[in-house]
Amino acid sequence: DGGITQSPKYLFRKEGQNVTLSCEQNLNHDAMYWYRQDPGQGLRLIYYSQIVNDFQKGDIAEGYSVSREKKESFPLTVTSAQKNPTAFYLCASSIGGSVNTEAFFGQGTRLTVV
Amino acid sequence: GENVEQHPSTLSVQEGDSAVIKCTYSDSASNYFPWYKQELGKRPQLIIDIRSNVGEKKDQRIAVTLNKTAKHFSLHITETQPEDSAVYFCAASMPGNTPLVFGKGTRLSVIA
Repeated sequence: DGGITQSPKYLFRKEGQNVTLSCEQNLNHDAMYWYRQDPGQGLRLIYYSQIVNDFQKGDIAEGYSVSREKKESFPLTVTSAQKNPTAFYLCASSIGGSVNTEAFFGQGTRLTVV
Repeated sequence: GENVEQHPSTLSVQEGDSAVIKCTYSDSASNYFPWYKQELGKRPQLIIDIRSNVGEKKDQRIAVTLNKTAKHFSLHITETQPEDSAVYFCAASMPGNTPLVFGKGTRLSVIA
């Protein structure tokens, strides 16, 4: 069953802690993305990667970090430097290359700071 | 960079009526315009997309139109049904498989 999987579905973090959100895809996609969703704000780009071992900052990268050591995986770390981390986080992937194509989304991780 | 504006933010229609959601984009280089539907608590899913070399595309009750000159595109849903109730997002991206830039979403409610 092909797709993109995020884990965990719900995550609680204490203030001052780093947490890592997992994103795995078996679609053989080159490009992967992290978006943050807040009510009334749409989807805002945090980081993206168009190829293994390379990634770029999006519009709201401050307080976040990523790695892309494997084609299938693109984990997102929310660091203690992120002042307002409570949000719904969506990972996505697309085929990549020179032609824009559909982005497929994972089911999301809802992060809450307690 | 690209900026996408979406209107309205909320829309209520009677079942069977049509719904129209409009988006504008800022960068004339953008060439790919998808629409996503997100049901409550679920992931966004593509419902239709259009490329800049096409002015209109239809898929059953859903259609998208693109006006490159005015830099706006619209989603049209005809014969709305309660299951069409969801949040709809428009997006745009530029050549080179750059990341999608999303509008802020429209919450559509179809009243039976």
